Amino acid sequence: AQTVTQSQPEMSVQEAETVTLSCTYDTSESNYYLFWYKQPPSRQMILVIRQEAYKQQNATENRFSVNFQKAAKSFSLKISDSQLGDTAMYFCAFMKLTTDSWGKLQFGAGTQVVVTP
Amino acid sequence: EAGVTQSPTHLIKTRGQQATLRCSPISGHTSVYWYQQALGLGLQFLLWYDEGEERNRGNFPPRFSGRQFPNYSSELNVNALELEDSALYLCASSLGPDHYEQYFGPGTRLTVT
Repeated sequence: AQTVTQSQPEMSVQEAETVTLSCTYDTSESNYYLFWYKQPPSRQMILVIRQEAYKQQNATENRFSVNFQKAAKSFSLKISDSQLGDTAMYFCAFMKLTTDSWGKLQFGAGTQVVVTP
Repeated sequence: EAGVTQSPTHLIKTRGQQATLRCSPISGHTSVYWYQQALGLGLQFLLWYDEGEERNRGNFPPRFSGRQFPNYSSELNVNALELEDSALYLCASSLGPDHYEQYFGPGTRLTVT
């Protein structure tokens, strides 16, 4: 069963506009971490933002922010003031803090974001 | 500060051969993780090493193995290569077992013919 679901295979956004990527996850655990990674055409996976499940406050990193809805098991990423360099595949990832899952990132299928001039 | 490095960039092998992939973590990081990114299968966790010990393993056959050296660098070995082993293999590192942010290297593209 898929643990992390990204329902948008591709999204297009114009420069300077805002785009929101959706991610839902499935778990019965209360202790976990969530991440967004980006993978540009160079293939290098880059950590964008992280969220601890026990924190109610949504994480923010410059133009990137998340909307973490724990009860709904939703973790969306908002990219504000989009730039051409934001063009990449974006992966949502989940890590349960249990013995069998420690250290193991579980990734969604990814959303391809294309920023156009 | 140098990031995670991996070698080689590309590797071409024949079915049945063995492949060895190498990874050097960020300085100060003790944990190394391996992931496989195959077309149609997405990113899948392979292995986690910390302080020279295997700490967790994904759902892969035993012909996928590895080790971590005293300097924290790591090798991933894939024996008896099969065509479906063709993939991008990503290595990541973190400060240690209680540090959950993983930083990735550029990957090794393995092609099995």
